[in-house]
Amino acid sequence: KQEVTQIPAALSVPEGENLVLNCSFTDSAIYNLQWFRQDPGKGLTSLLLIQSSQREQTSGRLNASLDKSSGRSTLYIAASQPGDSATYLCAVGTTSGTYKYIFGTGTRLKVLA
Amino acid sequence: KAGVTQTPRYLIKTRGQQVTLSCSPISGHRSVSWYQQTPGQGLQFLFEYFSETQRNKGNFPGRFSGRQFSNSRSEMNVSTLELGDSALYLCASSLIQGTYEQYFGPGTRLTVT
Repeated sequence: KQEVTQIPAALSVPEGENLVLNCSFTDSAIYNLQWFRQDPGKGLTSLLLIQSSQREQTSGRLNASLDKSSGRSTLYIAASQPGDSATYLCAVGTTSGTYKYIFGTGTRLKVLA
Repeated sequence: KAGVTQTPRYLIKTRGQQVTLSCSPISGHRSVSWYQQTPGQGLQFLFEYFSETQRNKGNFPGRFSGRQFSNSRSEMNVSTLELGDSALYLCASSLIQGTYEQYFGPGTRLTVT
């Protein structure tokens, strides 16, 4: 059974720092991995999607990497800003049976001005 | 292109009542998935519909059900509401080929009193 873990659960950093969020999964037979951002009480905004055949994806100040063999993905945020404050979730797409997403518990990020 | 829409956005119900939530996917997306998000359990997969058929189901009691219409719009129903059903219910749509990238709606906040 696929399990997805995100560490740390919460993170508070000063503005301008580069930071790394971690996502671990137990079954390396994944189809893809997607990183989301969620603001309080809101829906999920897709940040980056990495296919199982890819190693990384970049969008602006965000870079996500995927290492299937070790069951890990990292989300790198460069030059953090207060507007980056949100909860970040990773979701692993699995095709065992039919396709579905398994979500991690999230990392709550606060960037201090 | 319009995003995923969910109605209503907020709902207050009493224990024992039933509730129906609606989700309209992005135009052209034929897969709709439903998730429950609570502070204690995080984001949990409820079920997925494609071409009016349930393709996948999470580990929830039979009180939770859904359906999909020919225009891909989906509804989920919760009968005999319990206090523990209070949650943010999120729906996501995706294409059924290619990246399977999921696009989420803003959610319906259900409060059971």
